[in-house]
Parts: sequence; C-alpha cells; structure tokens
Amino acid sequence: AQKITQTQPGMFVQEKEAVTLDCTYDTSDPSYGLFWYKQPSSGEMIFLIYQGSYDQQNATEGRYSLNFQKARKSANLVISASQLGDSAMYFCAMRDRGGNEKLTFGTGTRLTIIP
Amino acid sequence: EAQVTQNPRYLITVTGKKLTVTCSQNMNHEYMSWYRQDPGLGLRQIYYSMNVEVTDKGDVPEGYKVSRKEKRNFPLILESPSPNQTSLYFCASSFTRSSYEQYFGPGTRLTVT
Repeated sequence: AQKITQTQPGMFVQEKEAVTLDCTYDTSDPSYGLFWYKQPSSGEMIFLIYQGSYDQQNATEGRYSLNFQKARKSANLVISASQLGDSAMYFCAMRDRGGNEKLTFGTGTRLTIIP
Repeated sequence: EAQVTQNPRYLITVTGKKLTVTCSQNMNHEYMSWYRQDPGLGLRQIYYSMNVEVTDKGDVPEGYKVSRKEKRNFPLILESPSPNQTSLYFCASSFTRSSYEQYFGPGTRLTVT
C-alpha cells in the first residue's frame, strides 16, 4: 500500500534561512510521481514541485528544490532564502498506478517563518 | 484561464438534508477526484473518475455518491449528511498519468449540525 510520512508536525524558521521539510514514502510500483503542495491559511492547494521516479536529477523550481534519494525512499523539500509568505502548511504526496492514480498525502508540516 | 471550480465555497446544513457540491474543470482532463481534509489526517480520497461514466471508490467513500455524465463535471452528493462529514472538501483534476500534477479547486468548507 502507498504511504507518505511527514514526521515534522511544525517548524519555526528565521526569515532568509533555508529550510528542509522531510518526506519519506513507500510504494511497490517502480513508476511513481512525488509532489509537494503548499496550503496557505486561505485554504487553497498550490502545486510547488514534481519529481518522477525515473528522473536522474533533482527537481528545482525557483526557490524550491526536491532532494530525491530513491534508495532511502525520501523526497525532502528544500526552500532557500525563506520569506514570510512561505508560512503555510506543506504536504508531500505521491501518485502511482497501484493507487488508482490518486494522490496519497502525508499529514503535513506547518511551517512558520519568523521575522 | 485553466481552473477547477467548486460551489458552494461554504455550506452549513443540518443532519439528513441532501446536498450537492459541484465541481467543474475546463482543461479537458480525464481524471477527476474528490478529497476530504481533516486535521491531522491530510487529504483522503473519497471517489474518483477515470473518464465519463467511469467512477470508483477511493479510501473513504461511505456516505457519498458521485456521477460523471460529462467530462468537465464531477458533482459530489451527500444523500443524508451526518456531523462526521463536517470537513474541507477538494475537487481535483488531471490527465491520467502519475507524472501529472492534480489541479485543485478552491475547496468547500462543509459544516453539518
């Protein structure tokens, strides 16, 4: 069965520092996608970054990068130079064929950026 | 603009009063899905649809119904809502491949008293 684990319920980080949000996953499907979504206090789900299981390089999107370690089944999100607007809930999710193409979500990490 | 729309955004209702939450997407996506979000549990899939007239249960389907008569619409029906269905609901759509992100609607906050 597919599973996503996020072990950090909450994090506090000083503005302008880098932050790493942890995510580990479990699947028996060799083909899968890993996603990170941001949920600000307004409630919408905002797609941040995607990593495919066969991608050789770590994904990057602006200040976001995904530290993909396939052997360890980990897909940590790194936010460089954090900003006050980064304060939000962050969800790691996985999509694979065995899960009927659904997104399996972790329980999320609430990130608070301190000025 | 590519988007997923949901209505209503907020709803307070009473136990047993049937309701429908609408979902529509304009991206010609085959795959549509409903999720509910509860504190400490992340998002869990309720129902999904691979294409028109093709629907199936997700992880938490009890108390819900769906239909997919047109590609763009995927309404969620609560025939007899109960307080344990108080939650934040999201509709999402995508192409049917694991490499594609799912686009989420703005969410519907439902309270059942």
